[in-house]
Amino acid sequence: DTAVSQTPKYLVTQMGNDKSIKCEQNLGHDTMYWYKQDSKKFLKIMFSYNNKELIINETVPNRFSPKSPDKAHLNLHINSLELGDSAVYFCASSQVGQGQAFFGQGTRLTVV
Amino acid sequence: KQEVTQIPAALSVPEGENLVLNCSFTDSAIYNLQWFRQDPGKGLTSLLLIQSSQREQTSGRLNASLDKSSGRSTLYIAASQPGDSATYLCAVPDDKLIFGTGTRLQVFP
Repeated sequence: DTAVSQTPKYLVTQMGNDKSIKCEQNLGHDTMYWYKQDSKKFLKIMFSYNNKELIINETVPNRFSPKSPDKAHLNLHINSLELGDSAVYFCASSQVGQGQAFFGQGTRLTVV
Repeated sequence: KQEVTQIPAALSVPEGENLVLNCSFTDSAIYNLQWFRQDPGKGLTSLLLIQSSQREQTSGRLNASLDKSSGRSTLYIAASQPGDSATYLCAVPDDKLIFGTGTRLQVFP
């Protein structure tokens, strides 16, 4: 069973479109994250959800919006996609107090 | 503000060598440190998690050490193999995980 799964794995879309990336975890963790990996492979936190509440919102454009229908899901919705949004996006989950984070396989987003 | 750096940025070695990857962090008040592996085009795989009360953790040919007072962690890979080729990332928790920039390792036959 996959612990953290995200779909789709690859996403190619045109500028200006709206798209969503889905993430699900079956570990019973109480915190989920979205990370963006830039061209230099550096991972930056975008959002974190703990018990369905947004607890971290880094300085990302408001075109990006996380949506958590329940504790096991944290979806990332992106409006009006731009070329600079092209990157790999990783979903992760962890349990407060345990520290170890588990990551999805990543979604490679290409905006053309 | 916690900052995490890794050296070297890239490493290319023949198989069989023993390797040392370094991770440094500026704020020693961490409660654990985690090492990850990332294969090209794939996600992150957690390799080792060291709690702040531990000095090292071992998994197979991997050994990670932690020296909080000096703000350093080392990942030691014994008898490297071509299958070890990947990018290795260390990360420390703050209110989120803070990642280093990674070491890209290539082990050639």
